[in-house]
Amino acid sequence: QVQLQESGPGLVKPSQTLSLTCTVSGGSISSGDYYWSWIRQPPGKGLEWIGYIYYSGSTYYNPSLKSRVTISVDTSKNQFSLKLSSVTAADTAVYYCAREGGFWGQGTLVTVSS
Amino acid sequence: SYVLTQPPSVSVAPGQTARITCGGNNIGSKSVHWYQQKPGQAPVLVVYDDSDRPSGIPERFSGSNSGNTATLTISRVEAGDEADYYCQVWDSSSDPSVVFGGGTKLTVL
Repeated sequence: QVQLQESGPGLVKPSQTLSLTCTVSGGSISSGDYYWSWIRQPPGKGLEWIGYIYYSGSTYYNPSLKSRVTISVDTSKNQFSLKLSSVTAADTAVYYCAREGGFWGQGTLVTVSS
Repeated sequence: SYVLTQPPSVSVAPGQTARITCGGNNIGSKSVHWYQQKPGQAPVLVVYDDSDRPSGIPERFSGSNSGNTATLTISRVEAGDEADYYCQVWDSSSDPSVVFGGGTKLTVL
């Protein structure tokens, strides 16, 4: 059974870069025909797709975040990562990593505050 | 960009049937997935590809999709079904992307 776990700082200062990593266990990122996604949820609000990376390395981003987002993969560590630059308070959210088929991490709260 | 519209809230008495809709332009041509999210928890997939259920999801959860509306139906609603429900599609009309509906709060009266 595939499991995903997010990790990274829970507090980021405004204008800095938010960096999170998703560690995958129970399956290899580089095997199979899957998309690996980042999704976020501001407190009390709905789900917002950030972007995904294909096992081959191709990436697709939410147009509203595209200028600030980078998703990358490290197959040697079975991890994929999210970087979101120039953050503001509006980027405060629970960040989830996920794989198609309904596999989600537990989520990690990132607060943007000085 | 593609937009999915859900009612903000649906209320139903225990034992009755809840129907949560997800509207989108020609959504019937897309595969729709439904997630259940309880407070403080990650979303759980309850229906995928319009009407299939993942292992472990009760048969009470079913889905349909036609025209401009997809529907999640929960039969014999239980108190434990109270949660937020989100529909989701893959939109390949321009750059491939994932789209979520705004979510529906299901209240069990």
